[in-house]
Amino acid sequence: DAGVTQSPTHLIKTRGQQVTLRCSPKSGHDTVSWYQQALGQGPQFIFQYYEEEERQRGNFPDRFSGHQFPNYSSELNVNALLLGDSALYLCASSLRSHSGNSPLHFGNGTRLTVT
Amino acid sequence: AQTVTQSQPEMSVQEAETVTLSCTYDTSESDYYLFWYKQPPSRQMILVIRQEAYKQQNATENRFSVNFQKAAKSFSLKISDSQLGDAAMYFCAYRRGGETSGSRLTFGEGTQLTVNP
Repeated sequence: DAGVTQSPTHLIKTRGQQVTLRCSPKSGHDTVSWYQQALGQGPQFIFQYYEEEERQRGNFPDRFSGHQFPNYSSELNVNALLLGDSALYLCASSLRSHSGNSPLHFGNGTRLTVT
Repeated sequence: AQTVTQSQPEMSVQEAETVTLSCTYDTSESDYYLFWYKQPPSRQMILVIRQEAYKQQNATENRFSVNFQKAAKSFSLKISDSQLGDAAMYFCAYRRGGETSGSRLTFGEGTQLTVNP
């Protein structure tokens, strides 16, 4: 049973460029969320996708956008990259539940470096 | 807004000894969940233990247990019989209950745990 998989593992981009990160959820999961983890800090919630729509969003600018596909996989897009966007980007999947009790399963992350 | 605070940036423990990691949180909600996650150098967040706020009994998972003090908004993690494999960054996290909470976790800043042989 494959867990959450993210690609690529590492990525180096130049300031002003655009980047796309990809995530495949754990089998049976229908909800994907993205987190940004700056070096030495805890992860910060970016947004959550369910039924191919953005359902919740954290305090991130519109340069951060996403997409969820019919097979539940997801992409995170960041436009006009800034040096401050350098971070580990974590994807987490879960099964939507009425209680909010469904545990999150995280991938190994994509390390993005902006130069 | 909910906040999670971990006041210990670093902790160390001798192998086979016990260590306690501290976490406090702030919320006005009555329905919520608290978590401890472990992040080893592999970077993957691994769930260690979970506590439902409506449960008075402290959660336990093998060598890991919590001390949940709801009134004080405190949620500490105790690791007994520490092993070298326990060395990692530990994050305390909060999630509001209910369907609309989605998968939005609020994390603390983390505590780096070193286990000395």
